[in-house]
Amino acid sequence: AQSVTQLDSQVPVFEEAPVELRCNYSSSVSVYLFWYVQYPNQGLQLLLKYLSGSTLVESINGFEAEFNKSQTSFHLRKPSVHISDTAEYFCAVSKGTGFQKLVFGTGTRLLVSP
Amino acid sequence: SAVISQKPSRDICQRGTSLTIQCQVDSQVTMMFWYRQQPGQSLTLIATANQGSEATYESGFVIDKFPISRPNLTFSTLTVSNMSPEDSSIYLCSVEMGQNTEAFFGQGTRLTVV
Repeated sequence: AQSVTQLDSQVPVFEEAPVELRCNYSSSVSVYLFWYVQYPNQGLQLLLKYLSGSTLVESINGFEAEFNKSQTSFHLRKPSVHISDTAEYFCAVSKGTGFQKLVFGTGTRLLVSP
Repeated sequence: SAVISQKPSRDICQRGTSLTIQCQVDSQVTMMFWYRQQPGQSLTLIATANQGSEATYESGFVIDKFPISRPNLTFSTLTVSNMSPEDSSIYLCSVEMGQNTEAFFGQGTRLTVV
């Protein structure tokens, strides 16, 4: 069975600083990997996903994540964060066939301060 | 994309009672899912809501406790029955638009059982 570990429950960072949110997964089969973001008082939104091909995937708002099969990791990075990036970030892996049965990590709260 | 409306957004309920949560999507979707997020924990899949047939429950979840209806392709309900304080969680509806697409989530229902 798949599982996801997000070691950092909260990451405080100053505006314009770089950030990395860590995600490790365990699975005996090939997986699809996702990062979801939940802004305050909003629903979960897909930030980016790895399905196949290039191991580096990017989002439209400057985040990127790299799939590392040997380390079973899918860390999320951004070189310069904004106040508006303050949110809860969830790493997830697909469960079973297809995308939609997801196994989630416990989430990392990113707190960006001026 | 899909716009998902969940009702209620939050509720405080007495133990022993039941609460029905509604999930309405603005377009027809292939599959609908219900997740639970207990305090400090990750999202856990409860069941897949199947249109025209009984829901498919994940390990640890049973129909008597979490009856689910899906009368059509745009609507589903999840009932939390005979509630106890341990049922205090955020319950989220998720939908799939078609094969190999991302999962969309509602804003969730924050349930507190006293």
